[in-house]
Amino acid sequence: AQSVAQPEDQVNVAEGNPLTVKCTYSVSGNPYLFWYVQYPNRGLQFLLKYITGDNLVKGSYGFEAEFNKSQTSFHLKKPSALVSDSALYFCAVRPMDSSYKLIFGSGTRLLVRP
Amino acid sequence: DAGITQSPRYKITETGRQVTLMCHQTWSHSYMFWYRQDLGHGLRLIYYSAAADITDKGEVPDGYVVSRSKTENFPLTLESATRSQTSVYFCASSVFNRENQPQHFGDGTRLSIL
Repeated sequence: AQSVAQPEDQVNVAEGNPLTVKCTYSVSGNPYLFWYVQYPNRGLQFLLKYITGDNLVKGSYGFEAEFNKSQTSFHLKKPSALVSDSALYFCAVRPMDSSYKLIFGSGTRLLVRP
Repeated sequence: DAGITQSPRYKITETGRQVTLMCHQTWSHSYMFWYRQDLGHGLRLIYYSAAADITDKGEVPDGYVVSRSKTENFPLTLESATRSQTSVYFCASSVFNRENQPQHFGDGTRLSIL
């Protein structure tokens, strides 16, 4: 079965420190990979995507993600966390044989303390 | 740029009642989607639509009905609401093309069924 795992329900980090939010996937072939962020009482906002090419993808608000094919991972990173980065983060995968389907992870809550 | 709007934002109803959640997008996107968000499950696809008058089931369609008579609107109806349908519902839209553009989400409808 196709699936996306976000192994940490919550990640805590101090402001100014680097952050990593983990994502691994189990999908056949070479999927397209996405990260979304959700702020309270809002919908999901697109952060970045990996389609092909460079394994390090840069996105909005200083976030980047590293694709690792051998480990089937797509971890979200930021060199220096801000308190305003505190939110719920979702990893999503689109299998290459689907033009629409997104498989979401269960989400990771990021808490950045001052 | 109004984007994608959902109404109502909050709704309380009783079991057995019919309720319709509205979704309107201004981008003329081909694809539209309905998801439900529940703690520990991430987002699960209820129904999707590839174009006007074309709809199909997602992962959890039971108890829901959709229609799409116009490209910009994609209402979701719970014909006889049950408590298990208490959730936050998100509508999304996307362009269908080969570059895999991300889905764009509305701000959600929080539905409580008593």
